Amino acid sequence: DVKVTQSSRYLVKRTGEKVFLECVQDMDHENMFWYRQDPGLGLRLIYFSYDVKMKEKGDIPEGYSVSREKKERFSLILESASTNQTSMYLCASSSPGGGGEKLFFGSGTQLSVL
Amino acid sequence: GQSLEQPSEVTAVEGAIVQINCTYQTSGFYGLSWYQQHDGGAPTFLSYNALDGLEETGRFSSFLSRSDSYGYLLLQELQMKDSASYFCAVEKAAGNKLTFGGGTRVLVKP
Repeated sequence: DVKVTQSSRYLVKRTGEKVFLECVQDMDHENMFWYRQDPGLGLRLIYFSYDVKMKEKGDIPEGYSVSREKKERFSLILESASTNQTSMYLCASSSPGGGGEKLFFGSGTQLSVL
Repeated sequence: GQSLEQPSEVTAVEGAIVQINCTYQTSGFYGLSWYQQHDGGAPTFLSYNALDGLEETGRFSSFLSRSDSYGYLLLQELQMKDSASYFCAVEKAAGNKLTFGGGTRVLVKP
C-alpha cells in the first residue's frame, strides 16, 4: 500500500515563527501536493511538484514556499507564520499519467498559530 | 472564477440511498473525482469520471454530465461506516491538480 507520512500530527507555533511541514511518500511517485483544509472550504491547493527541484504555485501560495530536494520528500515552509495559517495541512502524492490518477493523502498536520 | 457546489450535509438511515450532487464552474475540465474522508482521517479516492455516464464500484456509483457541468455520487445500501465527508474535485487538465468542493457531510443513522 502507498504510504504518505507527515512528520507531525499536531503542531503549535507562535506568530512570526518559521515553520517546516515535512511529507514523505514511499511509492516512488513523481507528483506531490500540499493542500490546506478548512471547514466549509474543502481542500485548497497551496503548491505542487511534478519532479525533483520543480515546484509550481497552486491556488493559495501566498505566505508559503516549498522544497523538493529528493523525489520522496516534499516540504512546506511557512516563512513567518500568521494566525490565518492555522489549519489542517494535507500532503498528497500520485503517479503521472493521462489524468484521473488517484491522489494518496497523508493523515494531515493540524497547525495552530498563536 | 471557478467553483464547485455540493450540499453541506445529508442525513439518512441505514439501508437507504443517498445522492450527493456536485455542480462545477471551472476554467477547464478534464475529469471529476470523488473522495471520502472519515473524521480525523485522510481523504481516500472513491471514483473518477472523465466521460459522460455512470461508473459503478460496488455500493457506490458516480455520474457525470459534461454538458450540464454536473455530477453526482450515489451511495446505496447505506451502512454506518459510510458516515463521512465526501468531496467532489475537478481535474482541469491532465496532471492531478485538483480543485475540491467544500464537502458534504453524510450522517447515517440506525
